[in-house]
Amino acid sequence: AQTVTQSQPEMSVQEAETVTLSCTYDTSESDYYLFWYKQPPSRQMILVIRQEAYKQQNATENRFSVNFQKAAKSFSLKISDSQLGDAAMYFCAYETGGSEKLVFGKGTKLTVNP
Amino acid sequence: EPEVTQTPSHQVTQMGQEVILRCVPISNHLYFYWYRQILGQKVEFLVSFYNNEISEKSEIFDDQFSVERPDGSNFTLKIRSTKLEDSAMYFCASSERRGASTDTQYFGPGTRLTVL
Repeated sequence: AQTVTQSQPEMSVQEAETVTLSCTYDTSESDYYLFWYKQPPSRQMILVIRQEAYKQQNATENRFSVNFQKAAKSFSLKISDSQLGDAAMYFCAYETGGSEKLVFGKGTKLTVNP
Repeated sequence: EPEVTQTPSHQVTQMGQEVILRCVPISNHLYFYWYRQILGQKVEFLVSFYNNEISEKSEIFDDQFSVERPDGSNFTLKIRSTKLEDSAMYFCASSERRGASTDTQYFGPGTRLTVL
């Protein structure tokens, strides 16, 4: 069974600094997709960034980028120039290609200090 | 921007009672999902639904659970006889195409179910 592990229950960062959230996963599949979702307090979970396993290039969305290490089964999220609005719970998630089921990690609560 | 909505935001029920959690997916979406998160645990997939049929379900989704799209807008999750361990946050999601690999799943804000 696929599992996703986020080893940092909480992280904090100073405004304008950079922070990296860790995620590892376990799978025997070759076709899969990885995601980072953000859930602000009392708000919906929204997709931050996705990575296709077959792509070697790391995905980037504005201030958000990933470090995808396929052999190590690691998928970390880097947030540059952190803003107060980045404060949220961040979930790493995995989906096998062709499936409809997202497998989530437990989440990392990110605090941004002014 | 269109959003997935869920009602109620919080439901309290007695053990053994039936509950129906309601979701209104984004209007042009065809794939619908339910997830749950027990306090302090991971978000877990329950079921996916397409073309009025369950397309995938987890081992959690046993005979006590059912889903339905009773009309063109609502998507419901029914728990027939609630147990204490059903207490959780239940999230609905929808997507235009199948699976998060091909399309973004949009999540609702959740319904917190408390079973006493």
